Parts: sequence; structure tokens; C-alpha cells
Amino acid sequence: SQTIHQWPATLVQPVGSPLSLECTVEGTSNPNLYWYRQAAGRGLQLLFYSVGIGQISSEVPQNLSASRPQDRQFILSSKKLLLSDSGFYLCAWSVRGQGLLNSPLHFGNGTRLTVT
Amino acid sequence: ILNVEQSPQSLHVQEGDSTNFTCSFPSSNFYALHWYRWETAKSPEALFVMTLNGDEKKKGRISATLNTKEGYSYLYIKGSQPEDSATYLCAFKRVANDYKLSFGAGTTVTVRA
Repeated sequence: SQTIHQWPATLVQPVGSPLSLECTVEGTSNPNLYWYRQAAGRGLQLLFYSVGIGQISSEVPQNLSASRPQDRQFILSSKKLLLSDSGFYLCAWSVRGQGLLNSPLHFGNGTRLTVT
Repeated sequence: ILNVEQSPQSLHVQEGDSTNFTCSFPSSNFYALHWYRWETAKSPEALFVMTLNGDEKKKGRISATLNTKEGYSYLYIKGSQPEDSATYLCAFKRVANDYKLSFGAGTTVTVRA
């Protein structure tokens, strides 16, 4: 069966510090990978998605970047965190080639990031 | 930015009662509509992926209907149980060569015993 691991679960970082959140998927090959963020009182906002190694689509201008160094690894980074980067970050995967028509998202447990 | 709205924002249901709530989305360029259940301290879990106008899907006591012409979907919970307490999210996918799902803010259901 497929599993998705996301870490850390919680993180408190000072403004201006770097960030690295990691997500790995097991039990499937060539998945589409996603990073979502939930700000307080708002819906999930798509930050990045990837359809393959080294292929990253960015959805909103922001202080964050994403990388996919391996097929089942997705990393969310920042060089210098801002207060507005605080939120709940979710990694997800879906089956490639089904365009979200028949394949839903499968989410990790999320990371609660607080920038102080 | 695609406008996906869910109402109500929250609701309280007595155990055993049935309830329903709404997801509204753009009626043009429809591709798919997803429903997810997000329980506290867990990750969101997919309930349904709906693609056809008039579609109705069922999973246990939970069902959903879809009207793509008018841009809405209903989620129904029959005979609510405490384990149904969760935030229910809908997400809209338009016709486009991308993988973008636009999520609503969710409806939080609390089932009182």
C-alpha cells in the first residue's frame, strides 16, 4: 500500500531563518506531488506541484521554493522565513496520468510552522 | 483564483440526525469535483471524486450529488454519528492542462451524542 511521510510535524522558526520541509512517498512510482498551505480560517492553497523529477510548477508568488530531487521526494524550502509564512503545510500525491479526474489527492499529516 | 464556497461554515448535529451542506463552484469549464473529510489530528481523506452532471456517489452513510450546470454539490450524512465529526472540504478542478485543485474553506460538522 502507498504511504506518505511528512516531517517535521511542528516547527517554530525565527524570522529570517531558513526552512526545509520534506515529504516522501512509498509504494507508488511516478506520482504527482503537491505542497498545500492552510492559513488560519482559509481553505487549502496550492503552493507547488510536480509531475516529475526536477519539474516544479509554482502557483503563487511567495517566499518559498520547492524541489524534487528524486521521484518520490518533495522538498519545500525558504532561504529567509517571513512572519506571513506561518501556517499548516500539507504534502500530497496523486496518480500521474489521471489528471485528478479519477485520482484524488492523498495527504500527509502536515507540518505546523510558526514563524516568530 | 477560482471561487469555491462552502456553506455553512460549521454546524452542530444531534447524534442520529441527518444533515447536508453545500459546495458552490464555477459552472463553466467544469472538470471534476472532489470531497475530502479532515478529522482532527489526521490528514485529509478523500471521500469522492465526481465528474458527471447528475452524478451521485455513496460511501456508507455519506453521499454526494453533483450539478455542474448550476455549479453546486451537496454532501449528505445520514444518521450522524460522533465519528462523523470532521471538517468536510470540497475542491474544484477546471478544464485545463494543469493539476490545480481549488479548495473551499470547509464545513465543520460536530455531532453531539
